[in-house]
Amino acid sequence: DGGITQSPKYLFRKEGQNVTLSCEQNLNHDAMYWYRQDPGQGLRLIYYSQIVNDFQKGDIAEGYSVSREKKESFPLTVTSAQKNPTAFYLCASRASGVAGELFFGEGSRLTVL
Amino acid sequence: GNSVTQMEGPVTLSEEAFLTINCTYTATGYPSLFWYVQYPGEGLQLLLKATKADDKGSNKGFEATYRKETTSFHLEKGSVQVSDSAVYFCALGTTGANSKLTFGKGITLSVRP
Repeated sequence: DGGITQSPKYLFRKEGQNVTLSCEQNLNHDAMYWYRQDPGQGLRLIYYSQIVNDFQKGDIAEGYSVSREKKESFPLTVTSAQKNPTAFYLCASRASGVAGELFFGEGSRLTVL
Repeated sequence: GNSVTQMEGPVTLSEEAFLTINCTYTATGYPSLFWYVQYPGEGLQLLLKATKADDKGSNKGFEATYRKETTSFHLEKGSVQVSDSAVYFCALGTTGANSKLTFGKGITLSVRP
C-alpha cells in the first residue's frame, strides 16, 4: 500500500547530540513537509520541500536541518542547537496540483534526556 | 498572514450527543479548508475538506460548511460515538508554488459511554 513511513517511532537522545528522523513516501508526491507537535500548540511547520534538491524554512526552522536528494525521502536532523527538541514530529506529503491536502506519517516521538 | 482559530478545549460529551467544534480563519485569497483527526499515538488523517465558499465537506457522519461571509468552517456531528474520541484540527491551505497548511491548535474530544 502507498503511504508515508517515519522511523524511528520513539527515539531518546542525550543533550548535545544530533539525531536524524527518517521520512519515506511511495505516493509519488512532489511536496514534503515536517511539522512539530507540542501539547496545546497544534502543528508548527519546520521545513518543506516542493521538489527534489530544494527546500524552504517554515516557521520554526532554527536548530533543524533537512535534505531532499530523492523524491521519496525527506530526512530531518534535529541538531544540538535546538533548545527544546522533545516533541512529536510529523512528516507529510502532498500531490502536485492538490491545494493543501496533506498525507501524514504516524510520527516520531523524540525525547531528550 | 494566514491563521486558524479553534475553540478552546477539551470537550467531553456523552455518546449520541450533538457535536459542534468551532473554527474561524483569516486568509488572503481563496483558501481551501480542512478538518483533520488524530487518534492517540498516530499521525493526522484527513476527515473532510471544502475548496470553495458554500461547499459542504462530509465524511463518517461529520459535516462542515465553508462560510466565506463569517470566515468559518465549524465541524458538526449529529450523534457522536466513543470511537470519535480524538484530537481534531482545523486547517487552511493555499494554492501556488509554496502551498502549505496552517493549522489551528487542535481540540481534544472525549466521548463517554
